[in-house]
Amino acid sequence: DAKTTQPPSMDCAEGRAANLPCNHSTISGNEYVYWYRQIHSQGPQYIIHGLKNNETNEMASLIITEDRKSSTLILPHATLRDTAVYYCIVSSGGTSYGKLTFGQGTILTVHP
Amino acid sequence: EAGVAQSPRYKIIEKRQSVAFWCNPISGHATLYWYQQILGQGPKLLIQFQNNGVVDDSQLPKDRFSAERLKGVDSTLKIQPAKLEDSAVYLCASGKRQSTGELFFGEGSRLTVL
Repeated sequence: DAKTTQPPSMDCAEGRAANLPCNHSTISGNEYVYWYRQIHSQGPQYIIHGLKNNETNEMASLIITEDRKSSTLILPHATLRDTAVYYCIVSSGGTSYGKLTFGQGTILTVHP
Repeated sequence: EAGVAQSPRYKIIEKRQSVAFWCNPISGHATLYWYQQILGQGPKLLIQFQNNGVVDDSQLPKDRFSAERLKGVDSTLKIQPAKLEDSAVYLCASGKRQSTGELFFGEGSRLTVL
């Protein structure tokens, strides 16, 4: 599976949009981009995933560049409860039975 | 819908002792995973099951770690004998058959080896 690069930490003001970047320049055609987050002392939580097109759900939006070498997770109105470690993962998904390789992630801190 | 259940939540043992962790996945989920998360790092996959068969155990230290998933439902992860470096949170996750990568994680079992 392709590796990803994320900034180690980011800050965001409560109520503002949080934009978390991820580079995955070696991604291959059948690999998806997944985002998970892990709030302190909890297990990781699935947020969203995509292949080529931008995706949106009730939690976040995922913007994937046309060349698929990078993506951005957008939390439109960050709250204090969004403070967590955010993991960007690239995986072939169903072809490997959903096997996920986690990196270090980005620590997002939302300030009042 | 009930989530992934794990027990115990916390366990403290001395080195060379043994320990076992239990996981009950979401009903109907065919795939089950055990991850190890050392403090400050992302989770690392130890073993992956599809029903009661092992799909990938390449990162499981087989000299001391073992895992089984009897009847394709519950799973246990055992460590014997434990080493200091096994101190970590052990996370269980489950997913639907031919999962697209949306995994559901339990809260984890925190192991401290003294």
